[in-house]
Amino acid sequence: DTGVSQDPRHKITKRGQNVTFRCDPISEHNRLYWYRQTLGQGPEFLTYFQNEAQLEKSRLLSDRFSAERPKGSFSTLEIQRTEQGDSAMYLCASSSGDRGLSPLHFGNGTRLTVT
Amino acid sequence: AQSVTQPDIHITVSEGASLELRCNYSYGATPYLFWYVQSPGQGLQLLLKYFSGDTLVQGIKGFEAEFKRSQSSFNLRKPSVHWSDAAEYFCAVKAYSGAGSYQLTFGKGTKLSVIP
Repeated sequence: DTGVSQDPRHKITKRGQNVTFRCDPISEHNRLYWYRQTLGQGPEFLTYFQNEAQLEKSRLLSDRFSAERPKGSFSTLEIQRTEQGDSAMYLCASSSGDRGLSPLHFGNGTRLTVT
Repeated sequence: AQSVTQPDIHITVSEGASLELRCNYSYGATPYLFWYVQSPGQGLQLLLKYFSGDTLVQGIKGFEAEFKRSQSSFNLRKPSVHWSDAAEYFCAVKAYSGAGSYQLTFGKGTKLSVIP
């Protein structure tokens, strides 16, 4: 068990560019979550998957954001036409179980800076 | 909708002193409560959780928390703080999202500084 892995750790991009982040969850975990954390705030829920199905999306997830988990293992989060307001830490987490009551295990995050 | 309030944005304590971080939640049903810690530039690490049963729960690194339903609180405590405890602490509540699962809602965090 190597924990939740996120890549890259840091990403600097220019406004208007597209970016993609990757998350590899703990191997036996069927649930995968994406959160966004801005300075001085707690993490805010974006979306989650159970296996390969995306079951819930937050209102925070605009049309420019898309997430996939094609084989129920790793996941990608893509942001199109980035804006300065997208600058944040993007956290991935995973958990096991059927009802989502198990604790979430977080990765170290991807810090996005949009210039 | 559920919410979590952490009234203290920043707390400074001396090494060896006791610590209490406050957390109040708002949720209509039985809450599932968590405390996480985040070191700079890192993800979140689970300290402890409360689901049911004994209202005093023990966690890692010598932390404990007490659930008080009457006060809607879940305060985190440590009898003697170490310099390595300096970090940001987040309280969270897991509540039914209406989409067949439970989602985690975080407070804004309390930053802990430790004076040697």
